[in-house]
Amino acid sequence: TQLLEQSPQFLSIQEGENLTVYCNSSSVFSSLQWYRQEPGEGPVLLVTVVTGGEVKKLKRLTFQFGDARKDSSLHITAAQPGDTGLYLCAGPYSSASKIIFGSGTRLSIRP
Amino acid sequence: EAGVTQSPTHLIKTRGQQATLRCSPISGHTSVYWYQQALGLGLQFLLWYDEGEERNRGNFPPRFSGRQFPNYSSELNVNALELEDSALYLCASIQGRGPAEAFFGQGTRLTVV
Repeated sequence: TQLLEQSPQFLSIQEGENLTVYCNSSSVFSSLQWYRQEPGEGPVLLVTVVTGGEVKKLKRLTFQFGDARKDSSLHITAAQPGDTGLYLCAGPYSSASKIIFGSGTRLSIRP
Repeated sequence: EAGVTQSPTHLIKTRGQQATLRCSPISGHTSVYWYQQALGLGLQFLLWYDEGEERNRGNFPPRFSGRQFPNYSSELNVNALELEDSALYLCASIQGRGPAEAFFGQGTRLTVV
């Protein structure tokens, strides 16, 4: 059982469309991070959310942390082919302080 | 500031051999995490080292082991390689204080034939 469940697993949309991907857990996290990974490379940190209800914007990307700090979402406005990649959420698992990752959402943007 | 460096970038081994993968964290970072990523899949937690000690390990057999050196660099060893060990092995460096923000190396692509 994944502690961090991401949905959808795969998403293929047309350039210019909007999309939202989700990261859910039954556990409370002190913080959640979002990463993007391109093929053959390591994940790159996009953002950290810490406070329940927090919203952070990074150009066309909007990240939200749930009020109860158990879930997060990533919304992309007017998707572009450069947004293609594997989007991962991650956070420190409180019982052992190790960092765990969700299984990811693989996003493909068609020109 | 130099990022996380991993070596080698590619490694080809035959079944039964041993592989050694290396990671140098960002200067000032004391924690190193190792993850295995099979092709097309997510990251599976392998090992966590902090201040030279193993803090936690994932659900992997004992033939996966490692260590962290006094300069905080780390080594991952995989003994008795099996075909299913073929994967991208990623090392992440974390400062040790504040939010758990991981900075990754480019990975080592291990192929077992």
